[in-house]
Amino acid sequence: KNQVEQSPQSLIILEGKNCTLQCNYTVSPFSNLRWYKQDTGRGPVSLTIMTFSENTKSNGRYTATLDADTKQSSLHITASQLSDSASYICVVKGAGSYQLTFGKGTKLSVIP
Amino acid sequence: EAGVAQSPRYKIIEKRQSVAFWCNPISGHATLYWYQQILGQGPKLLIQFQNNGVVDDSQLPKDRFSAERLKGVDSTLKIQPAKLEDSAVYLCASSLEVGRKTIQETQYFGPGTRLLVL
Repeated sequence: KNQVEQSPQSLIILEGKNCTLQCNYTVSPFSNLRWYKQDTGRGPVSLTIMTFSENTKSNGRYTATLDADTKQSSLHITASQLSDSASYICVVKGAGSYQLTFGKGTKLSVIP
Repeated sequence: EAGVAQSPRYKIIEKRQSVAFWCNPISGHATLYWYQQILGQGPKLLIQFQNNGVVDDSQLPKDRFSAERLKGVDSTLKIQPAKLEDSAVYLCASSLEVGRKTIQETQYFGPGTRLLVL
């Protein structure tokens, strides 16, 4: 069964600090992995999409890494801001399939 | 560029009542998705359309949920009759994806409709 597991479930950090969120998946065969940011009461917004051949991709202060061999990804947030408070969802797409497998998300709270 | 539009934003109904949600995807997007997101969980795909055809409805509770995308543009999702466990946010998303081989498409989500069933 295709699964996406995220950790930690929730995280509280001080403004200005860095943090890293983890995503492990079992989806196979693999097509791509996405990270989404979901603010409270809003729909998810895409941060990055990575394919099998990409190890890292950045979007401003967000940097995603992918190890397709170990089926792990991480999202690193640098110099966190209060506006980074949100849920971060990892999503994996299988190759040759329409289906996306969603993780449950990591709820990040950035406090002053 | 206008985003994905959804209405209503909030809906409160009693169990056994019917409810319908509407979605207008981004212009030109062939693929439209309906998701159910229960509080504290990631979105769960209910149904995926490509143009006006269904490509995946394996997780749609077909005894009470129905969806259509007439003319391959707007879509409606209906629940009839609603149960308490249907309380959730219903998200609509669209993408340019055409066919299974497209691998870099981005999904754009609407703001969602928050449903509370009492």
